[in-house]
Amino acid sequence: NAGVMQNPRHLVRRRGQEARLRCSPMKGHSHVYWYRQLPEEGLKFMVYLQKENIIDESGMPKERFSAEFPKEGPSILRIQQVVRGDSAAYFCASSPGSAGEDTQYFGPGTRLTVL
Amino acid sequence: AQSVAQPEDQVNVAEGNPLTVKCTYSVSGNPYLFWYVQYPNRGLQFLLKYITGDNLVKGSYGFEAEFNKSQTSFHLKKPSALVSDSALYFCAVPDDYKLSFGAGTTVTVRA
Repeated sequence: NAGVMQNPRHLVRRRGQEARLRCSPMKGHSHVYWYRQLPEEGLKFMVYLQKENIIDESGMPKERFSAEFPKEGPSILRIQQVVRGDSAAYFCASSPGSAGEDTQYFGPGTRLTVL
Repeated sequence: AQSVAQPEDQVNVAEGNPLTVKCTYSVSGNPYLFWYVQYPNRGLQFLLKYITGDNLVKGSYGFEAEFNKSQTSFHLKKPSALVSDSALYFCAVPDDYKLSFGAGTTVTVRA
């Protein structure tokens, strides 16, 4: 059973460009979460999605960031007009349900570097 | 809001010695608690979780964790540490459906 897959693993963008991060959840999981790990900081929740629905985006910056999880295909985290402060590791997780006891399984992450 | 705290930024132990990584929690109701490990430039790997029942939870790679309600703690333990256990360890608690993580503890096991 393949785990959570993320691509690309490393992404370099210049200021002002767009970054598009992809996440394929584990087979059978319909709940997807995105977290960000800034240098010297812990992991922070960004957004929670189910198929075709954004359930909670309270952790996502209001400007420039968006996320989707379409009926077909991977979940996408999109960052427009990137700035140096967006440099971080972005992790996707998936779970079979959203109950507290459901384990979230994490992908390997995408490390975004903004030049 | 539910939260966890990891009081130690770093833990250093010699190979073969017991390893303990500390975590305390603040939750309302019955807690669900998780431990994850992150190796350099890798994602988080699930180690174990406490739901209810036995206070000693066994997990992957020989790790276990002890749930202590009176001390509101959920410390991660390994009886005999390996150099390969050197990594960053996170305690986490569900806050609604999202995980709230501790700041992380860097474990270094010296040969």
